Amino acid sequence: IQMTQSPSSLSASVGDRVTITCRASQSISTYLNWYQQKPGRAPTVLIYAASNLQSGVPSRFSGGGSGTDFTLTINNLQPEDFATYYCQQSLSTPIAFGQGTRLEIK
Amino acid sequence: EVQLLESGGVLVQPGGSLRLSCAASGFTFSSYAMTWVRQAPGKGLEWVSAIRDRDNDAYYADSVKGRFTIFRDNSKNTLYLQMNTLRVEDTAVYYCANAQPYGTGWYGRNDYWGQGTLVTVSS
Repeated sequence: IQMTQSPSSLSASVGDRVTITCRASQSISTYLNWYQQKPGRAPTVLIYAASNLQSGVPSRFSGGGSGTDFTLTINNLQPEDFATYYCQQSLSTPIAFGQGTRLEIK
Repeated sequence: EVQLLESGGVLVQPGGSLRLSCAASGFTFSSYAMTWVRQAPGKGLEWVSAIRDRDNDAYYADSVKGRFTIFRDNSKNTLYLQMNTLRVEDTAVYYCANAQPYGTGWYGRNDYWGQGTLVTVSS
């Protein structure tokens, strides 16, 4: 299963709302996770099972979708949200990540 | 507090071998599947391998199949990755992470990650 994210990079301002999309090459039901990674740090999980917010993650993050098309939406962007975001399918091995979306400050 | 601490990353020549370790604490290690994920310099995340908790079934990315072996020692709360016939393209930071299942899937999500260990393959 291949995962394709878009866009690969995105510029936005503090307070904006942004949406990142992830498409699977075949249906993965809702076995889709979203991760945030900051430079020099390990990734952290934001959303699991497509739409479930990981404990401790701010509610401005939300996820949706099922089957092959998924979204990660960040409302009211904060300075600490500028990072790289990855989707991951966990329906079957080999587990696959998207190529990443780099969110930059405009 | 959950901790995952990788070690073993060094500079090694192409064709060489290396064993990475990941020491786990703060959770019942034997009850979780575990995984290795790598990240080449300036690149994205690449899943490498995973091992289940109950039966030790192991799974690999095509890029490492036949060269890498994942195994675990539940008595030592430690995950390993034996890396043989290393290639320049194996150069990366290697992370270990747990696999927290959800739904009917056994893998789920990676809740906890180590800080990573750098493997450099170069002559």
